[in-house]
Amino acid sequence: QVQLVESGGGVVQPGRSLRLSCAASGFTFSTHAMHWVRQAPGKGLEWVAFIWFDGSEKHYTDSVKGRFSISRDNSKNTVYLQMDSLRGDDTAVYYCGRDPPASGFALDVWGQGTTVIVSS
Amino acid sequence: QSVLTQPPSASGTPGQRVTISCSGSSSNIGSNTVNWYQQLPGTAPKLLIYNNNQRPSGVPDRFSDSKTGTSASLAISGLQSEDEADYYCAVWDESLKSVLFGGGTKLTVL
Repeated sequence: QVQLVESGGGVVQPGRSLRLSCAASGFTFSTHAMHWVRQAPGKGLEWVAFIWFDGSEKHYTDSVKGRFSISRDNSKNTVYLQMDSLRGDDTAVYYCGRDPPASGFALDVWGQGTTVIVSS
Repeated sequence: QSVLTQPPSASGTPGQRVTISCSGSSSNIGSNTVNWYQQLPGTAPKLLIYNNNQRPSGVPDRFSDSKTGTSASLAISGLQSEDEADYYCAVWDESLKSVLFGGGTKLTVL
């Protein structure tokens, strides 16, 4: 079945780095754009980053520009989020989401999320 | 504070019709289709509506949306207890080159 599984979350000190992974299965990964969305404890959803199906286009929310980098390996059906210079306000559950062609940036499949806690 | 504005809460009784609004601007709602998500407590969000009132398989037709200018609305008819959840609007913003989420609306079924 169509599935996204995130991994790589954990507890990290401020200023350190973490790389999240999102493994896709059950669909043709290389034809879908992908997103990362996060949710701080008790807060709403915040979009983080987007990568085009072939990696040719990437976009980020302002608060992570220059610190986070999204990438993908279509041979491994995996999208990544490299997070550097982590701050306390990056603490959140991080979800990856699938964006089908011509969907208007709709995320029709979500992973279960991976938790990132930035704390000393 | 979100660029997309949603009421923080909404409520209704079983069987009622409720609407949740989402207000934006010409660079987002005024230019692109709005997507709506439902998030039940402790779970990942679920896509409800996309691309001008399209519903993914399994989403009942009790859920519908509409858009006028720079505002959009999600309507839920025949309200059921299992509809109690947080609802988010989302849209691509041409100026910011970002996906924007509304702040979310907590729906309570009385």
